[in-house]
Amino acid sequence: DGGITQSPKYLFRKEGQNVTLSCEQNLNHDAMYWYRQDPGQGLRLIYYSQIVNDFQKGDIAEGYSVSREKKESFPLTVTSAQKNPTAFYLCASRTAADSYNSPLHFGNGTRLTVT
Amino acid sequence: GDSVTQMEGPVTLSEEAFLTINCTYTATGYPSLFWYVQYPGEGLQLLLKATKADDKGSNKGFEATYRKETTSFHLEKGSVQVSDSAVYFCALSDQGGNKLVFGAGTILRVKS
Repeated sequence: DGGITQSPKYLFRKEGQNVTLSCEQNLNHDAMYWYRQDPGQGLRLIYYSQIVNDFQKGDIAEGYSVSREKKESFPLTVTSAQKNPTAFYLCASRTAADSYNSPLHFGNGTRLTVT
Repeated sequence: GDSVTQMEGPVTLSEEAFLTINCTYTATGYPSLFWYVQYPGEGLQLLLKATKADDKGSNKGFEATYRKETTSFHLEKGSVQVSDSAVYFCALSDQGGNKLVFGAGTILRVKS
């Protein structure tokens, strides 16, 4: 079955450490996205990528970095510069063709806790 | 910039009650509109969508109509079930089609 896989489901880190969240999709989608979800704040866009080797900052990119070396993969690194990293992180993808109308497909998320 | 405003929750209903979750938007041009649902501990799933004015999206008994004159896309269901308990998000696709903008989400709790 096609879908988006995020791993791990739960991640714990000490403050000051960088951590990388994995996102893999086998839907052959061109565009991939990272959102952060905090209680009562909905989803906020961190980074997105329309094609391989290219990505753009979203609304809250500070303290995060991404890469898009393969179409299937879009890992997110939460750096020590991110002031409040504890959150639920969601990866999504969609086809670039007719992107205006095409919905996002989401993974099941990674819950990151930094202490 | 583009934005989406949803009614605050939680919304608590008894089984078989009528559901309305309000959603209004601000956008340039004519965005596509979406409703997503999130069950506990999971990602979001597309519930329905509408791509132009007066379109009605429907799925699993839920409906929403794209109202350009009131910039609204309210979600309705005639008879909710306990299994509908989840968080519901309204979203729009921005003018450039590059990203989706989400509302804050509305928690729905259905009691048996």
